[in-house]
Amino acid sequence: DQQVKQNSPSLSVQEGRISILNCDYTNSMFDYFLWYKKYPAEGPTFLISISSIKDKNEDGRFTVFLNKSAKHLSLHIVPSQPGDSAVYFCAATTRRTGGGNKLTFGTGTQLKVEL
Amino acid sequence: EAQVTQNPRYLITVTGKKLTVTCSQNMNHEYMSWYRQDPGLGLRQIYYSMNVEVTDKGDVPEGYKVSRKEKRNFPLILESPSPNQTSLYFCASSESGNAIEPQHFGDGTRLSIL
Repeated sequence: DQQVKQNSPSLSVQEGRISILNCDYTNSMFDYFLWYKKYPAEGPTFLISISSIKDKNEDGRFTVFLNKSAKHLSLHIVPSQPGDSAVYFCAATTRRTGGGNKLTFGTGTQLKVEL
Repeated sequence: EAQVTQNPRYLITVTGKKLTVTCSQNMNHEYMSWYRQDPGLGLRQIYYSMNVEVTDKGDVPEGYKVSRKEKRNFPLILESPSPNQTSLYFCASSESGNAIEPQHFGDGTRLSIL
């Protein structure tokens, strides 16, 4: 049962244009979401996150939007650059104290930014 | 430099031959975890550890063992590897283990079990 879904395995965008990566979740207990980026032969690295008390979080060229009613979030990259070509994983969790919380990952979207 | 180091990076072995993948972090993190990445399934957690001598199962623990005798090390042990454990493995760490905290990942270990 895939609780976090990234339905587009791949996305191709021209340099300078907007990249929009989508993520859907089914578990209504999820209230915190993270995006990780992964280059080939490297481990994932944290990119940006959002709490369910917000509907938008921005960090430079990266913005994450959260639509709680639709259980949907998206990552916008503007403008896209060739160095953004990577696999992007969406992940979700619940906020609890004490640690040990489970992070549920999506299947990933391969973004290719073309010149 | 803050890092999570996994060894080996690549391994081809045969069914039933015990193997260990080492993981070490130099950030004094409390929390460490192992994931496997498979096509179409994303990253799935195998085991995690909140502190020394404290380990717990993740989503897919069958066929794996772990230990946390020292804070910096968290080896993954496959006592009797099988072909369905062919995968890309990642070790990760974070300061406290709260999942809202970004995790630091190693560069991965690609295991092929023939």
